[in-house]
Amino acid sequence: GAGVSQSPRYKVAKRGQDVALRCDPISGHVSLFWYQQALGQGPEFLTYFQNEAQLDKSGLPSDRFFAERPEGSVSTLKIQRTQQEDSAVYLCASSRRGGVSTEAFFGQGTRLTVV
Amino acid sequence: DAKTTQPPSMDCAEGRAANLPCNHSTISGNEYVYWYRQIHSQGPQYIIHGLKNNETNEMASLIITEDRKSSTLILPHATLRDTAVYYCIVRAFDMRFGAGTRLTVKP
Repeated sequence: GAGVSQSPRYKVAKRGQDVALRCDPISGHVSLFWYQQALGQGPEFLTYFQNEAQLDKSGLPSDRFFAERPEGSVSTLKIQRTQQEDSAVYLCASSRRGGVSTEAFFGQGTRLTVV
Repeated sequence: DAKTTQPPSMDCAEGRAANLPCNHSTISGNEYVYWYRQIHSQGPQYIIHGLKNNETNEMASLIITEDRKSSTLILPHATLRDTAVYYCIVRAFDMRFGAGTRLTVKP
């Protein structure tokens, strides 16, 4: 399809396990965003890439969270030593250009449950 | 922190216009106003955006006040499928969401 694709859609992890969440943005999109959405809350910004450069990672909640986009397309959000408070939907979005004048399109998200 | 203030919830009758307000009194000159909505269990869906002029597309209209400190999203003929949480965002590069307005369209 032509949209933002995220995998897996659902992930159950045991506390302490490492997880990797994948985002395939729309082809050619320059900007990529990651968000964390807890149940009943709005999406919380995690990090932002322009091509392969991570321009803002101020929203990452701890050093257990790490994101990369090595070739400027696919991105991976990695969470080390997962904890129960990491349970949330993780959303990825991409936009065609950098800057603020272009709309971003979201994927369906990955629902992470830490047990 | 989000730069916008929205009412937590609103109701609208099916077929009537839904007018969703948003305050963004600290908006900077180069920041755009974006609206997204999120239907349960789906990713946010882009609706419309604008800088200072009013905008209209096939989904909605966006009215921005002259001082740019507030805006209104208008859904001209709300349907039951428009029931969702609507987010008003003042977009800097990082695009941060607030709590949004939960719009319920009633038959």
